[in-house]
Amino acid sequence: EVQVVQPGAEMKKPGESLQISCKGSGYSFSTYRIGWVRQRPGKGLEYLGIISPHDSDVTYSPSFQGQVTISVDKSISTAYLQWSSLKASDTAVYYCARISVPTVMDVWGLGTTVTVSS
Amino acid sequence: QSVLTQPPSASGTPGQRVTISCSGSSSNIGSNTVNWYQQLPGKAPQLLIYTNNQRPSGVPDRFSGSKSGTSASLAISGLQSEDEADYYCAVWDDSLDAVVFGGGTKVTVL
Repeated sequence: EVQVVQPGAEMKKPGESLQISCKGSGYSFSTYRIGWVRQRPGKGLEYLGIISPHDSDVTYSPSFQGQVTISVDKSISTAYLQWSSLKASDTAVYYCARISVPTVMDVWGLGTTVTVSS
Repeated sequence: QSVLTQPPSASGTPGQRVTISCSGSSSNIGSNTVNWYQQLPGKAPQLLIYTNNQRPSGVPDRFSGSKSGTSASLAISGLQSEDEADYYCAVWDDSLDAVVFGGGTKVTVL
């Protein structure tokens, strides 16, 4: 079965760092890009960026450039989304999705709920 | 404020046809293909329509998509109670070099 698996939840304090993961299975991980999407409580979907596992090339949404870091370790079929200093406004569900050409998010993870609170 | 404009809500009775619009510009819908995602309550989004009008395996044929110029539409024919969900259009924007989502449309089955 083709799937991308994410941890369920993370709870952090403002100023702390965090890395969440997205592990692909059931397909050739290096062949498909991985995208990240944010959904704040009660709000719509926001695109953060895309990474190509093949060459680690990353494209960020202009709205999120410098706010997060996207990386990948293709040896373990895992992509990552990282924050160096969390803010309360980063509280949201973060989804990763496999991307088929050109930009079709065809397989979604269940999402990681990130809660940032003092 | 989303780059793509969708109505915030739509509704219909079981069996009716509901249409959701998605309005963009020449840098996104006007030059790239549109995808639609369905998000059931409390669930992750899932692909509903890709490349303007293609249905993934398993998606009922009562869902259809179309595109004309800088606008796209999603139609649900024969509305069913399990179609109550949020629906999002999405497309690559050449000016932003990014995927852009519509604000989402909440469909209610009366």
